[in-house]
Amino acid sequence: EAQVTQNPRYLITVTGKKLTVTCSQNMNHEYMSWYRQDPGLGLRQIYYSMNVEVTDKGDVPEGYKVSRKEKRNFPLILESPSPNQTSLYFCASRRLKNEQFFGPGTRLTVL
Amino acid sequence: QKEVEQNSGPLSVPEGAIASLNCTYSDRGSQSFFWYRQYSGKSPELIMFIYSNGDKEDGRFTAQLNKASQYVSLLIRDSQPSDSATYLCAFQGAQKLVFGQGTRLTINP
Repeated sequence: EAQVTQNPRYLITVTGKKLTVTCSQNMNHEYMSWYRQDPGLGLRQIYYSMNVEVTDKGDVPEGYKVSRKEKRNFPLILESPSPNQTSLYFCASRRLKNEQFFGPGTRLTVL
Repeated sequence: QKEVEQNSGPLSVPEGAIASLNCTYSDRGSQSFFWYRQYSGKSPELIMFIYSNGDKEDGRFTAQLNKASQYVSLLIRDSQPSDSATYLCAFQGAQKLVFGQGTRLTINP
């Protein structure tokens, strides 16, 4: 089944404790991205990658890192999480210029 | 001016009626337009995409695109309670999909 997977789906952590949210797609898509969604603010893009080893900042990159060492994986790293990074996170992938598919989401709470 | 404008709603429609959702965009160079449905706490799900001026129909859904007016709409015929969700429109920008804030739709039985 063609899909985007994310792990973990739910995470509660404390301020400053490094964490990684994994994202994987099995559709051989070139383009992958991370979004966060907050009430009243809609979907905001954090980082995107147009192919292996090519990443770029989205609209709200501060406090986040990403890497794209393989085509299928695009992990999101929070080196020192803070409470303002409490949010619902989505990974997404697509072929360039085509329709985008989202993962199931990761609900992160930073205490 | 926002890149994508949507009425945030909520839009309330009786069951069986036609729900009409609208979206305007600012980038005249956009070629691809998408409608996503998102249930509360779930991920956005693609329901329609349209590339050409005019109408595109898929079951109860019709997407309408007017590039001259920079306007895209989604019609849902015979609305069902299961259509209650937030609907996001998006267009293909230079490097990314640009999303609207979404319109919350409620179908009343």
